Amino acid sequence: EPEVTQTPSHQVTQMGQEVILRCVPISNHLYFYWYRQILGQKVEFLVSFYNNEISEKSEIFDDQFSVERPDGSNFTLKIRSTKLEDSAMYFCASVYMPGNTIYFGEGSWLTVV
Amino acid sequence: SQQGEEDPQALSIQEGENATMNCSYKTSINNLQWYRQNSGRGLVHLILIRSNEREKHSGRLRVTLDTSKKSSSLLITASRAADTASYFCATDAAGGTSYGKLTFGQGTILTVHP
Repeated sequence: EPEVTQTPSHQVTQMGQEVILRCVPISNHLYFYWYRQILGQKVEFLVSFYNNEISEKSEIFDDQFSVERPDGSNFTLKIRSTKLEDSAMYFCASVYMPGNTIYFGEGSWLTVV
Repeated sequence: SQQGEEDPQALSIQEGENATMNCSYKTSINNLQWYRQNSGRGLVHLILIRSNEREKHSGRLRVTLDTSKKSSSLLITASRAADTASYFCATDAAGGTSYGKLTFGQGTILTVHP
């Protein structure tokens, strides 16, 4: 079965540093997402991306966050200046068209120290 | 309660027993999806049920949806130790332009003892 792949699987970074999390969505999918899960909490929506622009974002997704699809396959989440509270598992997801199964990657654990 | 709340929060059963998890939500939905998460791992899709469907099956999984009560249930029959995981429901809210954003519940932690 096709899958969403994410790198790195785990990253430790100093507070204030920039972090880029990378994702390769399923190849024919058109809608892409980032979610995060703080340890022990529910999975939270961050942003959706369609047709090379952000289609929806949550209040968590402030100016410190950005997303990009630099080429035909990668989808990245950048955190400009990390804070301790950004420590979480970040999930990338994709779907061909809303209303269908949304597939998630294995996640990237981000630890900010 | 918030959109997509699971009940119970934790469930402990013996291998071979059935496990039932419930999910309630507040707004109208396009669909509801159930996911499984092994500790510290990714979200594995189990079943999608659309708002006009009442029941779906996949192997040992049975999902029901009652839109009048805004609730869904996930039944795992003949459970195995390997079913031990957290289970989440996630709703795709209806209304407006849907970009497929999902709202997750807190999840049910299922432990199946051998």
